[in-house]
Amino acid sequence: NAGVMQNPRHLVRRRGQEARLRCSPMKGHSHVYWYRQLPEEGLKFMVYLQKENIIDESGMPKERFSAEFPKEGPSILRIQQVVRGDSAAYFCASSLGQNEKLFFGSGTQLSVL
Amino acid sequence: GNSVTQMEGPVTLSEEAFLTINCTYTATGYPSLFWYVQYPGEGLQLLLKATKADDKGSNKGFEATYRKETTSFHLEKGSVQVSDSAVYFCALLYGNKLVFGAGTILRVKS
Repeated sequence: NAGVMQNPRHLVRRRGQEARLRCSPMKGHSHVYWYRQLPEEGLKFMVYLQKENIIDESGMPKERFSAEFPKEGPSILRIQQVVRGDSAAYFCASSLGQNEKLFFGSGTQLSVL
Repeated sequence: GNSVTQMEGPVTLSEEAFLTINCTYTATGYPSLFWYVQYPGEGLQLLLKATKADDKGSNKGFEATYRKETTSFHLEKGSVQVSDSAVYFCALLYGNKLVFGAGTILRVKS
């Protein structure tokens, strides 16, 4: 049973480009969480999704960031018109249900040039 | 608001030394508390947890006790190994969100 899979592991973008980060949850998990880790900081909650629904997006920046978790396929975190301040490690986690144990992926390191 | 503060690293120890990584929290109510570990190149893994005051979480020789009176959840291990080298994160559960500390890098030398 594969764990939470994130890809790519490393993503380099120039300012103004779009970044798409993918997360495939563990088999059977329908709850997905995205966290961001800025240099020298802890992980900060961004968004919590269930299949086809955004449950809590209180940690998402108001502009340029969006997330989805379609019925089929991975969850996608999309960052439009990236800026240097978006450079960070983005972690995805999944769980069987709310308040269940979270399993984390290895993260995507986004670098904006 | 809810927050977690960890001691700054890196912490560098010799093999078999005693480890303490301090963690204090600020929260409304009595959240569940966690320690996660991140080995190089991997995602975070749950190391241990405690759900109420005076609970002691333990795993792989690591322990942490939920201290309500000092709002602390310090991580301890009696004898560290080189394989314990990793980043350790203290966290609390607030609603459906985990709130993390900044992480503490542990380096164990043989």
